[in-house]
Formats: sequence, C-alpha cells, structure tokens
Amino acid sequence: ILNVEQSPQSLHVQEGDSTNFTCSFPSSNFYALHWYRWETAKSPEALFVMTLNGDEKKKGRISATLNTKEGYSYLYIKGSQPEDSATYLCASDNNAGNMLTFGGGTRLMVKP
Amino acid sequence: DTAVSQTPKYLVTQMGNDKSIKCEQNLGHDTMYWYKQDSKKFLKIMFSYNNKELIINETVPNRFSPKSPDKAHLNLHINSLELGDSAVYFCASSQDQGARRNTIYFGEGSWLTVV
Repeated sequence: ILNVEQSPQSLHVQEGDSTNFTCSFPSSNFYALHWYRWETAKSPEALFVMTLNGDEKKKGRISATLNTKEGYSYLYIKGSQPEDSATYLCASDNNAGNMLTFGGGTRLMVKP
Repeated sequence: DTAVSQTPKYLVTQMGNDKSIKCEQNLGHDTMYWYKQDSKKFLKIMFSYNNKELIINETVPNRFSPKSPDKAHLNLHINSLELGDSAVYFCASSQDQGARRNTIYFGEGSWLTVV
C-alpha cells in the first residue's frame, strides 16, 4: 500500500501572502507525480504532471518542484488571491498497476 | 462544453435500493475511471476501463458493477445500497491506458447519500 502524504492539511493565509505546501510520496519505483486543484462541487483540475528529479513547473503564480530521490514535491503560490482558495491534491504513480495514489490534500483558504 | 460529465450530481436514496451513476467523456480518451472519495477525503480508485475493457478492479464489493457500452461512457451501478456507500464518486478519463504521464480529467463528482 503506497502512502502519499500532504502537509499541512489546511492553511489560512492573507491575500498577497506567498505560501507553499508539501507532498511526500514513496521514492521507490517512482514514475510520475501529479498536482490537482480542486474547488468543492467542481472537477479537480490538473495543474502539473512531473516526472524527472529536479523538475520545476510553473503556471502563472503557481509553481512546483520535484525531488524523486527523497520523495517530495513542493507547490508554491506567489501572492495568494482569494480565488486560489481550494484543495490542492497530489497523486503519485509508482508503477503499481498504472494507478495513481492520492494524498489527502491541502485545503487553502485565502482571506481578502 | 463539459469534458467529463456525470449524472446525477446529487442522489439521496434508501438502504437496499439499486442506483446508477452515468458518466460520459467527449475528449476521445481511451481510458475511463471511477474514484471514490473516502471518509478521510482521500480519492481511491475503484475501476479503470480501457477501450471498454476492465483494466483495474480494486477491492470493491460485488454490489458495485461498472458498465462501459462504448469507450466514451462508463456507468456505475450499485446494488443493495448500504449506509457505508455514502460518498462522493468521481468519474475520470485519460488519453490512454493507465495514469502514467497523462493528465486525468475528472467529472464534478456525484454526491451519494444513503439513508
């Protein structure tokens, strides 16, 4: 059973603050790491798919890094806005029958 | 234009009933999935179909039976509903078999409440 953990579980920040959170995943048999953004009652929306150690990806104010040797990925949000409020999910593909194992998510709330 | 659509979005039903959740994707993807959000809010895969064929079948009670009439549809039928089946069920699709490097596209979820 794969263990994908995200921390913190929830986070409150003020508008304009920059923030980051962590996804830990098994480093053995690693294939890919996915990040999703999920607003309640909407579809989880893909942000990044990362595969190589040292990968950095960016989409607007959101960026992510990947360390496959130690098994962690960071998601950064620069200058948080209220519309960034959502749950951010990571999921790891560790060659376990072509399945993704999801973490429990980090719930971000940005106060205006 | 919704890429992955599932219906109904909300469903309240009594224990013992049989119900279905329908899913359709218009992305031309080969692979479709059903995920369940468990009590701890984790998304857990239930089934994966590739071109109408079952690929992944996780430990799910036999009361859950997926049906894929064509590669654009994957419906979930649940027999003899139990209280513990109350959850949010997500349909999803990806370009080809397995998650791998391909982005998974999710539906908005179906909130099932069994009373």
